[in-house]
Amino acid sequence: QLQLQESGPGLVKPSETLSLICTVSGGSISSSSYYWDWIRQPPGKGPEWIGTIYYSGSTYYNPSLKSRVTISVDTSKNQFSLRLSSVTAADTAVYYCAREMFGSSWGDAFDIWGQGTMVTVSS
Amino acid sequence: QFVLTQSPSASASLGASVKLTCTLSSGHSSYAIAWHQQQPEKGPRYLMKLNSDGSHYKGDGIPDRFSGSSSGAERYLTISSLQSEDEANYYCQTWGSGIRVFGGGTKLTVL
Repeated sequence: QLQLQESGPGLVKPSETLSLICTVSGGSISSSSYYWDWIRQPPGKGPEWIGTIYYSGSTYYNPSLKSRVTISVDTSKNQFSLRLSSVTAADTAVYYCAREMFGSSWGDAFDIWGQGTMVTVSS
Repeated sequence: QFVLTQSPSASASLGASVKLTCTLSSGHSSYAIAWHQQQPEKGPRYLMKLNSDGSHYKGDGIPDRFSGSSSGAERYLTISSLQSEDEANYYCQTWGSGIRVFGGGTKLTVL
């Protein structure tokens, strides 16, 4: 069964860049049937979509975060990654990676979620 | 603007049924959505994809107690025979034009 595991620093200083990796196991990230996503959830709030990548490298970003976000894929390692620059305390959240069904180029449902990793922005 | 509206809270008794609602914004009434469950201190779990015609596709291992239906711009999640472990936050999610959106969530309390 496919599993997703987030990894990266749990503490990032303000103005620095948050970097996370999602490792996919039990399946191939190069499948044409899925997108791969980053989603975050601030403490006590609902989830917020950050961005999406396809194995080919095509990306979609949340317009509210687009200027600070980069998502990339490494098919040789079966991983995809998130970089969020110029972080502030407002970026403190649990960060999830997820698999998204490829129903159309418009998007689709997230059908498998990672367990999430807490990232705190503080000096 | 793409918006999903959910009531902040709902409650129902153990063993009863409850129907949660997710409303699509104007102009998006034909869109499909997904329902996700988040139990306390856990990550979200995919429950089902729900189309505008009411057809739905559940995730692996999701009990038959969970079902979906649609009417116009409204998408419903019905949970029957409520159990204590159904006490959770329920989020709807949709997509379009490359954007993915979540509703604000409904906190379900099982009495």
